[in-house]
Amino acid sequence: DIQMTQSPSTLSASVGDRVTITCRASQSIRHWLAWYQQKPGKAPKLLIYKASSLQDGVPSRFSGSGSGTEFTLTIRGLQPDDFATYFCQQYDTYSVTFGRGTKVEVK
Amino acid sequence: EGQLLQSGGGLVRPGGSLRLSCAASGFTFSSYAMTWVRQTPGKGLEWVSYINAGGGSTFYTDSVKGRFTSSRDNFKNILYLQMNGLRVDDTAIYYCVGGSIDPWGQGALVTVSS
Repeated sequence: DIQMTQSPSTLSASVGDRVTITCRASQSIRHWLAWYQQKPGKAPKLLIYKASSLQDGVPSRFSGSGSGTEFTLTIRGLQPDDFATYFCQQYDTYSVTFGRGTKVEVK
Repeated sequence: EGQLLQSGGGLVRPGGSLRLSCAASGFTFSSYAMTWVRQTPGKGLEWVSYINAGGGSTFYTDSVKGRFTSSRDNFKNILYLQMNGLRVDDTAIYYCVGGSIDPWGQGALVTVSS
């Protein structure tokens, strides 16, 4: 299985901040990486697919970058609605795997 | 916009069975492979099963092989997960996912407890 290592596990930030979350794959997944936002009691919501493509309807303050084994999710100008948990997921294989998540909390 | 509506979760005794359903709308279901994922506080998000678009190929994580069966009805646009021999550690929220990434169902809580 491809292991996904996500960091940090918790991030304290303020409204307006620039936030960066990193995900590392145990082997190359080319660009087959997705980022999700999840709020309590809800299903994950797709933000970014193919490492850097913005899902329809997702604000442009979210962006993704990277390829191979190193990937980054950036939120520019954090908004109150963005305090949530974020996950990365590789889908280079049918047996998808996920990072353990990053909780973005109020500083 | 594609949507997935899940049903069938609940409380079951160890060794019992449960069937989850996932009804698709707003996209060409028969053209999409489908994935089942589960989530627990301890293990996080975990892949459970994959079924190809036609339903002829299925794959499972090792811990559910021989106990869970994924199937689909491409005429009714419904995906199923039949879960037999349920164990306490199968307790989780189960999600169906279109393809591998989107859309996601709303989730179904499966609790296995005596």
